[in-house]
Amino acid sequence: GESVGLHLPTLSVQEGDNSIINCAYSNSASDYFIWYKQESGKGPQFIIDIRSNMDKRQGQRVTVLLNKTVKHLSLQIAATQPGDSAVYFCAENGAGNMLTFGGGTRLMVKP
Amino acid sequence: DTGVSQDPRHKITKRGQNVTFRCDPISEHNRLYWYRQTLGQGPEFLTYFQNEAQLEKSRLLSDRFSAERPKGSFSTLEIQRTEQGDSAMYLCASSLLDYYGYTFGSGTRLTVV
Repeated sequence: GESVGLHLPTLSVQEGDNSIINCAYSNSASDYFIWYKQESGKGPQFIIDIRSNMDKRQGQRVTVLLNKTVKHLSLQIAATQPGDSAVYFCAENGAGNMLTFGGGTRLMVKP
Repeated sequence: DTGVSQDPRHKITKRGQNVTFRCDPISEHNRLYWYRQTLGQGPEFLTYFQNEAQLEKSRLLSDRFSAERPKGSFSTLEIQRTEQGDSAMYLCASSLLDYYGYTFGSGTRLTVV
């Protein structure tokens, strides 16, 4: 299949290890943030979201941390599996009901 | 309803031709969005509808781009006089309220030759 991104930052982890993917956002007025997973040839898939009145939110195997002071988001994936291999994007809400996406990170899971 | 559906999945066209893409949102979603994604980049917002009203279109890339949602259900995105720079993935998303619960389709990959 086609590549979603050919020159993205890449994080390579061993299967079973934890992964941390980071994202800097641009707008201090943003109040809603989402992490998406995108596999080759597919649209972005929702992983987890967080509102600005929270600094941490947990899902199944995933945790999002929000640091509004430095405008930084991170996605933590516990016990990374081969099926987690994909490109990950953070997004923030913006004017006009649009989402503004950050640059993606390619996660590669080594068996 | 199995999600947001886009058609076609792939389109190859010659420069100068017009193309039209279709998006069928999740049936109960009243908001529909179009994004464009080029290789190595995150999706870039183009336009959105609430029911049949196009509420934001200033981000459409040029006057060659237009979108419709005539009955508040499916939407079409048209690109007239295509250029090689239009080659990209065109993504549709829908949501029930605002941007919460955005669901993306699998996109239409356009290649202009």
